[in-house]
Amino acid sequence: NAGVMQNPRHLVRRRGQEARLRCSPMKGHSHVYWYRQLPEEGLKFMVYLQKENIIDESGMPKERFSAEFPKEGPSILRIQQVVRGDSAAYFCASFTVAGEQFFGPGTRLTVL
Amino acid sequence: KQEVTQIPAALSVPEGENLVLNCSFTDSAIYNLQWFRQDPGKGLTSLLLIQSSQREQTSGRLNASLDKSSGRSTLYIAASQPGDSATYLCAVKDTGNQFYFGTGTSLTVIP
Repeated sequence: NAGVMQNPRHLVRRRGQEARLRCSPMKGHSHVYWYRQLPEEGLKFMVYLQKENIIDESGMPKERFSAEFPKEGPSILRIQQVVRGDSAAYFCASFTVAGEQFFGPGTRLTVL
Repeated sequence: KQEVTQIPAALSVPEGENLVLNCSFTDSAIYNLQWFRQDPGKGLTSLLLIQSSQREQTSGRLNASLDKSSGRSTLYIAASQPGDSATYLCAVKDTGNQFYFGTGTSLTVIP
């Protein structure tokens, strides 16, 4: 899982600002999952992406959240007009055809 | 909707003891089940992956079993060490696109 890169590792935003979280999957992997982990809670699925395609975004809040995975470059999870309730750890996972996930180190978002 | 439960939520054992962590799921129509460990403030490290057609997988001191019909998986850790202290998570992949995680078992191995 060391091959999955996420940045930044820590991000502090004030309410109303935008947060951009980046994820580069393992080399050769073209599918990523994004999860949110709140304190004392399990990981919650947000979105599943393939390059240039959103496969399943059923776990994503309808407003303020969006995700993309362009042909070139990392996958980006974007949160507009952040609120305190968005404070959490956000993880992405690289996904193999065998159905195995490899996680990045996460981005810890703090909203002041 | 799949629900994944892990019991116990926390476990403390002396070094050298063998232990079993439990994971149960409500829908037996799964694609696979994966065990992870998560250290404080870190990401998840994959430990073992069991496909739905398999009964168990082994890696070193770890052995994971899967009983789909009863909706259960166990992770067996032999001869526990202080370095095994972490939170252990199980995740079930359904036959679609989604993974469902338990809330984990926090393990402390006392030297």
